[in-house]
Amino acid sequence: DAKTTQPPSMDCAEGRAANLPCNHSTISGNEYVYWYRQIHSQGPQYIIHGLKNNETNEMASLIITEDRKSSTLILPHATLRDTAVYYCIINTNAGKSTFGDGTTLTVKP
Amino acid sequence: DGGITQSPKYLFRKEGQNVTLSCEQNLNHDAMYWYRQDPGQGLRLIYYSQIVNDFQKGDIAEGYSVSREKKESFPLTVTSAQKNPTAFYLCASNEIRGQPQHFGDGTRLSIL
Repeated sequence: DAKTTQPPSMDCAEGRAANLPCNHSTISGNEYVYWYRQIHSQGPQYIIHGLKNNETNEMASLIITEDRKSSTLILPHATLRDTAVYYCIINTNAGKSTFGDGTTLTVKP
Repeated sequence: DGGITQSPKYLFRKEGQNVTLSCEQNLNHDAMYWYRQDPGQGLRLIYYSQIVNDFQKGDIAEGYSVSREKKESFPLTVTSAQKNPTAFYLCASNEIRGQPQHFGDGTRLSIL
């Protein structure tokens, strides 16, 4: 299964954009990149996903490089409630996903 | 509202006992999953099922068992063979192939 690499932690100032990177150099051509976040002691929450093209929804934007070996999740205007652990995962054709340890994002006032 | 219900929220087990965690979904999803999460770590896949009466082992299936007799239900049994069962257990579901997983709120299991 394709693995992902994320920095263990990041800080961001409230109101600024948070850019969370993810490397997935072994991704296959038809595997999706998914982003979830988890607030302490809750189940992960789906944020966004993409295959090749950049995607945007009401929560975030996802930028995938042309070679698909890395991606960046962008929270355009981070708030204190965005403090969470963010997981970048690859969804295989079988639907199976492997979660790494994620990035702990701390939004500071 | 549609969603995934895990029960109970907190569960205590004596050593040597089996215990079953419940997971029910009313989203009409075909696939269901069980994950284990230890403090400060990511989620690890225990078992998953893509269709009724069929399931596959994940990365850490030893000491666990599941059944999928109904589409909406995917109970997980933590057996006495699981030597370190204290953890946060999460259930998820999705439509197969490329759809987001929806997660329950988890069950926290502790050993007395």
